[in-house]
Amino acid sequence: GQNIDQPTEMTATEGAIVQINCTYQTSGFNGLFWYQQHAGEAPTFLSYNVLDGLEEKGRFSSFLSRSKGYSYLLLKELQMKDSASYLCAVRDRGNNRLAFGKGNQVVVIP
Amino acid sequence: ETGVTQTPRHLVMGMTNKKSLKCEQHLGHNAMYWYKQSAKKPLELMFVYNFKEQTENNSVPSRFSPECPNSSHLFLHLHTLQPEDSALYLCASSQGAGTTLETQYFGPGTRLLVL
Repeated sequence: GQNIDQPTEMTATEGAIVQINCTYQTSGFNGLFWYQQHAGEAPTFLSYNVLDGLEEKGRFSSFLSRSKGYSYLLLKELQMKDSASYLCAVRDRGNNRLAFGKGNQVVVIP
Repeated sequence: ETGVTQTPRHLVMGMTNKKSLKCEQHLGHNAMYWYKQSAKKPLELMFVYNFKEQTENNSVPSRFSPECPNSSHLFLHLHTLQPEDSALYLCASSQGAGTTLETQYFGPGTRLLVL
């Protein structure tokens, strides 16, 4: 089974940097995904990590440490449109299914 | 635009009604999924179809009945639902359902309210 933990909500100022953490426990790790979900909309794919280290994609970066069961998503130069829920999902090695965390609601204020 | 569409976007139904949710993907994928998203809870996987064959039923009550006529279309038939079934129902697709390189792409969901 898998257990994924994310903080529930955070507020940050436009132009700032915010780090969203995700810790997980799994019997077989096979990759970690980050999705962004605006209210009432589809979750959209942001990043994928399967090896330790940092993956950078423009303003968004994602980090993974498999030994610590830990990942974070870093959002730089925050914009109002970044206000959304950020979902962490871990893929199980046995069946390749995704297990999602509850999501972290980020509110960007002027 | 994610290439996965769902209809209707909103649905209100009584406990004795029968309704169906529809999902269509335009990405040429072979696997499709139904998820349930309730407030304050993680996404819950309900069903998985790979090449039109159901490969997973995650202990979902029989009042939810999936149908996958081809790799591009997925339905969720609903009957005699309960108020606690009110949630956002999300459809997703991926290239395959058993490969390590798949990424799932989601539709916008159907917001269901059961009265």
